[in-house]
Amino acid sequence: SQTIHQWPATLVQPVGSPLSLECTVEGTSNPNLYWYRQAAGRGLQLLFYSVGIGQISSEVPQNLSASRPQDRQFILSSKKLLLSDSGFYLCAWRAYRTGIYSGNTIYFGEGSWLTVV
Amino acid sequence: AQSVTQPDIHITVSEGASLELRCNYSYGATPYLFWYVQSPGQGLQLLLKYFSGDTLVQGIKGFEAEFKRSQSSFNLRKPSVHWSDAAEYFCAVDRLNQAGTALIFGKGTTLSVSS
Repeated sequence: SQTIHQWPATLVQPVGSPLSLECTVEGTSNPNLYWYRQAAGRGLQLLFYSVGIGQISSEVPQNLSASRPQDRQFILSSKKLLLSDSGFYLCAWRAYRTGIYSGNTIYFGEGSWLTVV
Repeated sequence: AQSVTQPDIHITVSEGASLELRCNYSYGATPYLFWYVQSPGQGLQLLLKYFSGDTLVQGIKGFEAEFKRSQSSFNLRKPSVHWSDAAEYFCAVDRLNQAGTALIFGKGTTLSVSS
């Protein structure tokens, strides 16, 4: 069966410090990978998605970046955190299915709470 | 662009009462629609999804949703709410026809259950 791991679960970082959140998926190949951010009252905002190694698309211009160094690894980074980067970050994946992804369920990790102080 | 609106930010329902959470979407063709539930501090769990066919979709935990094209709605229902149903509920539409297709979520509805 497929599983998704995301870490760290919680972190408190000072403004201006770097960030690295890591996500790995097991039990599937060539998944679509996603980073979402959840802020209070704003629902889930899609930040990045990736359809393959080294292929990253950004949805929202911001202080964050993403990388996919391996097929099932997705990393969210920042060189200098801002207060506004605080929130709940969710990694997610979706299976590849005969050339399309649409309609497949997106599965979420347990999330990472980031507080920038 | 596709979008999802959940008009109710917060709903309180008595335990044992029925529940309906509203969701309206904006999309030109038949959408793929999803409902997820999130317990506090947790990730999201899929309740149900609609692709085509029967407009009444059954999900886990006794939930169902009805797709109404004429109203652009996909409301979530449960006949009898349990205290454990207290959570945040998200409706989502699939962003189709793109290699990086992803789900676009509404802002969520928080459900409280009173005894």
